[in-house]
Amino acid sequence: DQQVKQNSPSLSVQEGRISILNCDYTNSMFDYFLWYKKYPAEGPTFLISISSIKDKNEDGRFTVFLNKSAKHLSLHIVPSQPGDSAVYFCAARTSNSGYALNFGKGTSLLVTP
Amino acid sequence: EAQVTQNPRYLITVTGKKLTVTCSQNMNHEYMSWYRQDPGLGLRQIYYSMNVEVTDKGDVPEGYKVSRKEKRNFPLILESPSPNQTSLYFCASSSPGQGVEDTQYFGPGTRLTVL
Repeated sequence: DQQVKQNSPSLSVQEGRISILNCDYTNSMFDYFLWYKKYPAEGPTFLISISSIKDKNEDGRFTVFLNKSAKHLSLHIVPSQPGDSAVYFCAARTSNSGYALNFGKGTSLLVTP
Repeated sequence: EAQVTQNPRYLITVTGKKLTVTCSQNMNHEYMSWYRQDPGLGLRQIYYSMNVEVTDKGDVPEGYKVSRKEKRNFPLILESPSPNQTSLYFCASSSPGQGVEDTQYFGPGTRLTVL
């Protein structure tokens, strides 16, 4: 059963605007959340993460928000650039699960000029 | 350069012919893992290893074997491949307990087709 859900398979945003990618989870034991970015023909690369003790983490143009009560997190990209076009995976884990990551199905972001 | 390497990158084979996909990392990571990526299903974990000689099943281990005889290598073995194992495979490694750096680094992927 999918414990991490990304309900939007794709998203198209104009360059310069904000991209918001959403992720929901069902396991309340998850205590660490990550976003990975994947270009075609490459492996996923780590983008940004957030611990469950925080509700926001920012790194340059990327900000992740965590709403534990809603079991929801989101990735904001501001401003969006064409090079941000990729598939974004949300992932979560529990500290006592052998560090196994549970991934969502991914959201394909297209940033148009 | 810190990296995870996988070989081969592309492989076409036939049903039942044993194959091994190699994975190697040069970061001295304890934790290594294999995932498969299928359309509409995202990344699913096959097997993982917390350290040398310690391996455990992930979410979809059926039809796969792994071994961890050395820290840097974590090969994925398909003893008798079947068409439903046609997929894109990723190896990953990490070093648990390093705080914000405790993320998994992925290899470039192996595209496997089983006819």
